[in-house]
Amino acid sequence: NAGVTQTPKFQVLKTGQSMTLQCAQDMNHEYMSWYRQDPGMGLRLIHYSVGAGITDQGEVPNGYNVSRSTTEDFPLRLLSAAPSQTSVYFCASTRGVGYEQYFGPGTRLTVT
Amino acid sequence: LAKTTQPISMDSYEGQEVNITCSHNNIATNDYITWYQQFPSQGPRFIIQGYKTKVTNEVASLFIPADRKSSTLSLPRVSLSDTAVYYCLVGYGGATNKLIFGTGTLLAVQP
Repeated sequence: NAGVTQTPKFQVLKTGQSMTLQCAQDMNHEYMSWYRQDPGMGLRLIHYSVGAGITDQGEVPNGYNVSRSTTEDFPLRLLSAAPSQTSVYFCASTRGVGYEQYFGPGTRLTVT
Repeated sequence: LAKTTQPISMDSYEGQEVNITCSHNNIATNDYITWYQQFPSQGPRFIIQGYKTKVTNEVASLFIPADRKSSTLSLPRVSLSDTAVYYCLVGYGGATNKLIFGTGTLLAVQP
C-alpha cells in the first residue's frame, strides 16, 4: 500500500513551458485535491475532485487544469508556466467528507 | 468559508505539555475541526479531528468549547521530534471537501 504518490519530486521549467504533475493513490479514495504551498501562506487549494469525472475549482485555480478519468489518478496540468507558479505542490486524497486527508510527498516546482 | 487564526510560533522544552489554540469565529454548523502536522519537505499528516467537546487519541487531545469558536490542540510531553508546523483546519461537512489551511504554528521544542 503506497498511499499517495507524486511525480516528479523536483522540476525546473522555463516560462511558457507546459507540464503535468502526476498524482496517484491506491486507497480507493473518492476525493482528491491539489494544494500549493508558498512560504508564509500555508496550503491553498487549487482544484479538487469528488469522484471520477467530477472536478471543481478551489481557492487558486487560475493557470491550472485537472481531469479525473480514474479513481486512482488526478493529474495537474500547467499549460503555460509562469514564475508565480513556483511553489511546492501537494496532492491529497480522502475517502470522504469528514475523514482525514492523506498527502503525498510533494513536488517542488521552479519556473524561471 | 471559515478562516482560522493561530499563533505564528511557539517554543517549548522536552517533556512539557504544549497547547496550541486556534480561533475560528465563523465556524458553520457542519464544520469539523482538524489538526495536521507538517515536517520540512513532507506533506501534512493528520493528527486529530473533532466536532465538539473533547477528543483524544494516542498522540494528542483536542478540546472544543460549546460555542465552537475556538479549539485547542494539546500535545502531552513533547519531544524534539515534535518540532514541526501545526495547522488548524475548519472544513465543510457538506457535499464538498474544501479544507482551508491557515498559515500554521511553528512549534520549536528545545532540549
